[in-house]
Order: sequence, then structure tokens, then C-alpha cells
Amino acid sequence: GENVEQHPSTLSVQEGDSAVIKCTYSDSASNYFPWYKQELGKRPQLIIDIRSNVGEKKDQRIAVTLNKTAKHFSLHITETQPEDSAVYFCAATYSGNTPLVFGKGTRLSVIA
Amino acid sequence: DTAVSQTPKYLVTQMGNDKSIKCEQNLGHDTMYWYKQDSKKFLKIMFSYNNKELIINETVPNRFSPKSPDKAHLNLHINSLELGDSAVYFCASSQNTEAFFGQGTRLTVV
Repeated sequence: GENVEQHPSTLSVQEGDSAVIKCTYSDSASNYFPWYKQELGKRPQLIIDIRSNVGEKKDQRIAVTLNKTAKHFSLHITETQPEDSAVYFCAATYSGNTPLVFGKGTRLSVIA
Repeated sequence: DTAVSQTPKYLVTQMGNDKSIKCEQNLGHDTMYWYKQDSKKFLKIMFSYNNKELIINETVPNRFSPKSPDKAHLNLHINSLELGDSAVYFCASSQNTEAFFGQGTRLTVV
């Protein structure tokens, strides 16, 4: 089955700096890669996703890149703000109704 | 207008008890899931249902029994609760891709 590795487990950045979180996956059949943000005590919520037919996707300060050959994908947050502080999860699955397999999460702290 | 709702939000109970968590989605999705989030925040799939049929059971002890009376509901019953069952349980639903999560049920076994 799919296995998703995520690094780093914790990340501290100064407000205004960029943050990068990296994930690798094992199943070459996976073709959908979402990123979820979970604030303290809240549910995970989708912030951006990418499919395997696209190499990069951007939404304002957030971007995701995908390298299918190397089986890794990354989340980039620019101009970080204190409200970006949360736990971020990457995930992978192949389309259909198979469940998302999550990485172990990255706790991002943005220091004002 | 909550998309995926689960109850209760908090559940404190003694070892050995039996408890249930309910989940409902109004998104019209065919697939529903239960995830367990432990103290280290790891989100692990427990069960996956598609149109009321069990698709995936990820080596969960048989003390955990999901039930799906219809495709909008997926309940989780836990027998003989153990200390190690303490966690946050998330229900989720999806239609092919993005998963929508419920608000979570924090289960504490004492």
C-alpha cells in the first residue's frame, strides 16, 4: 500500500519568510496529492491540491510542486504570517474512492 | 450548514465501557471514512465505506465496529474501551478526491 513520508516534523520561521514542507510517496499509481492545514483543536481542512498531470499549482501565497519521476511533492508558503501557524499534512491517493494516506504532519510556527 | 457532522465532540468514559460516535454528511458523497488521530497528531485510516459497503478495514481491533445504515451516515461503535483508544476520531467523506472532515470526537478513556 501507499506510504507517505513528510519532513520536517517541526518548522519555525520568522514572519515574512518562506516555509517549505516536503513529502515523498511510494505508490507510483497515486495521482492526487492534497495538503491539509489543521489548526489547534480544529478539523483538517484542504488548502491546496495537485493532480499528477500537473507539475505546479499556485494559489496566492501557497504553491505546490510535484515531481512524479522522483515521487515527491512540496508545499511552499511565501510571506508567512502568524495565522499560518498550524500543523500541515500532505497526503496521497489514486482517484476513485480510496482513502487518503497522510504524512505524519509538520508543525509550522511563524514567529512575529 | 455543516457538511460533515459528528457527535459527540467530547467523550470521557471508563475502561471496559462501550460507546458510539455518530457521523452524518449532507454532501451526497458515496464514500465515508473513519480516521484516528493519536497524541502525536498522526492521522491513520481505520475504515472506508462506499455506498454503505465496507471497502477497507485497516487492521483495526474487532472491538471497533462501523455501521452504515445509509450512504449519508457512518457510525462507529467501540466495545470494551481501553486506555490506548484515547484519541481524536475524525469522520470524513469524499467523492473521488478531496476529503471533508467532521469536527472530530475527542475520546478519553480513564
